[in-house]
Amino acid sequence: SQQGEEDPQALSIQEGENATMNCSYKTSINNLQWYRQNSGRGLVHLILIRSNEREKHSGRLRVTLDTSKKSSSLLITASRAADTASYFCATEASAGTYKYIFGTGTRLKVLA
Amino acid sequence: DADVTQTPRNRITKTGKRIMLECSQTKGHDRMYWYRQDPGLGLQLIYYSFDVKDINKGEISDGYSVSRQAQAKFSLSLESAIPNQTALYFCATSDSGTGKINEQFFGPGTRLTVL
Repeated sequence: SQQGEEDPQALSIQEGENATMNCSYKTSINNLQWYRQNSGRGLVHLILIRSNEREKHSGRLRVTLDTSKKSSSLLITASRAADTASYFCATEASAGTYKYIFGTGTRLKVLA
Repeated sequence: DADVTQTPRNRITKTGKRIMLECSQTKGHDRMYWYRQDPGLGLQLIYYSFDVKDINKGEISDGYSVSRQAQAKFSLSLESAIPNQTALYFCATSDSGTGKINEQFFGPGTRLTVL
């Protein structure tokens, strides 16, 4: 079964709105990563948040991490049509193994 | 990412055939991974390698084998292809020599169909 489970599975918003997607995981982690996948293409790394961090920003991306709840959220502000993609969280199968488990993804559609 | 290439990009084969998917990288990374993705799902780890002499099984290694011919090359073989191995296959790399050891760089994928 997948370590990371994203929620919602699909999200459709208007351009300019914010998009929030969530990830839950099961084991202790050193870090959690978010990736983007455009349709049928390879994944692109977006951001990594370490277990001792609670929030991290990169451009229009904001990631939070709550290790007590084993959950993370990715917020994309002022969304654009080009943000249309699937977004995946990834964690290590167990801390320090560098063996990654990806969630099932959130399919985001931004309508122009 | 053009630095990680996969060949072929598309492949149609028949049940029982042995096929090889190849991955090459010019990033100089030491770590390489093979994943499969089924429609609408996340990635599942098949095999991974931390250097030329290191091979490790992932979540779903049954029916697959790998070869790390050089630091830059990591091949995935399906010994006897079956229809439920129809999927999108991705190679990825990462570099243990930098502070971004966890960041993976993905190839464009190989779409495999087993009839």
